[in-house]
Amino acid sequence: EAQVTQNPRYLITVTGKKLTVTCSQNMNHEYMSWYRQDPGLGLRQIYYSMNVEVTDKGDVPEGYKVSRKEKRNFPLILESPSPNQTSLYFCASSSAGPGSYGYTFGSGTRLTVV
Amino acid sequence: AQSVTQLDSHVSVSEGTPVLLRCNYSSSYSPSLFWYVQHPNKGLQLLLKYTSAATLVKGINGFEAEFKKSETSFHLTKPSAHMSDAAEYFCVVSAGGKLIFGQGTELSVKP
Repeated sequence: EAQVTQNPRYLITVTGKKLTVTCSQNMNHEYMSWYRQDPGLGLRQIYYSMNVEVTDKGDVPEGYKVSRKEKRNFPLILESPSPNQTSLYFCASSSAGPGSYGYTFGSGTRLTVV
Repeated sequence: AQSVTQLDSHVSVSEGTPVLLRCNYSSSYSPSLFWYVQHPNKGLQLLLKYTSAATLVKGINGFEAEFKKSETSFHLTKPSAHMSDAAEYFCVVSAGGKLIFGQGTELSVKP
C-alpha cells in the first residue's frame, strides 16, 4: 500500500531532551515536507526537501533540523525541545511538485513537551 | 503574496442537507487550489484539486468545488451531508511550489 509512515504516533518528552520523529514513504517521491498543526493556525511548513541532500526552510524552521540522506526517509530532529513545540506534526510526500499534485500525508505525530 | 482565507471556522448542518464551505484565495498568478479533509485522529486526505483545467472540480465522496476567478473563490459543496462527513476541511493554495493552508473549517453533521 502506498503510504507515508511516521513514528511514533504519540510522544511525551521533557524540555531539552533531544528527539527524532521518523518519516518514510514507499512511493519513490522526490518531494518531502514536515508541517506542524496548531489550533486556529492550520498547517505551517517547517522544512521541505526536493531531493536527496536538498533541504530548505519552510515558514517555521526555528528549533528543528532535518536530513535527507535517502530518498524514502526524512526525519525531523528536535535538538532541544521546548514547550512551544508541543503540536501535531505531519510528514508529507509528493511525486513531482506539491504545487501541482498536492501531498500525501502521514497519520501524524502528537508531541507534548513538558 | 499568496494566501487563503476560510470564511467559517465552524459549520453545522443536518444530515441530508447541502454543505457549503467557503474559501477565498489571493494569488498573483493562476493558482493551483486544493481541498483536504482531516477526520479525527487521522492524517489529511486530498478531496479534490484545481489546476487550471475545468473550473468545476469533482472530488471524492460526492464533494465538488468551483473555481471563480472573478470572485477569487474556491468554495466546497456537497448536495447532501452524511454523518461520515463530519471532519475538518482545509482549503489550500499553491505558491511557488509550496502549499499554503487555510485555518480550517470544522464541519458538524447533526442527525
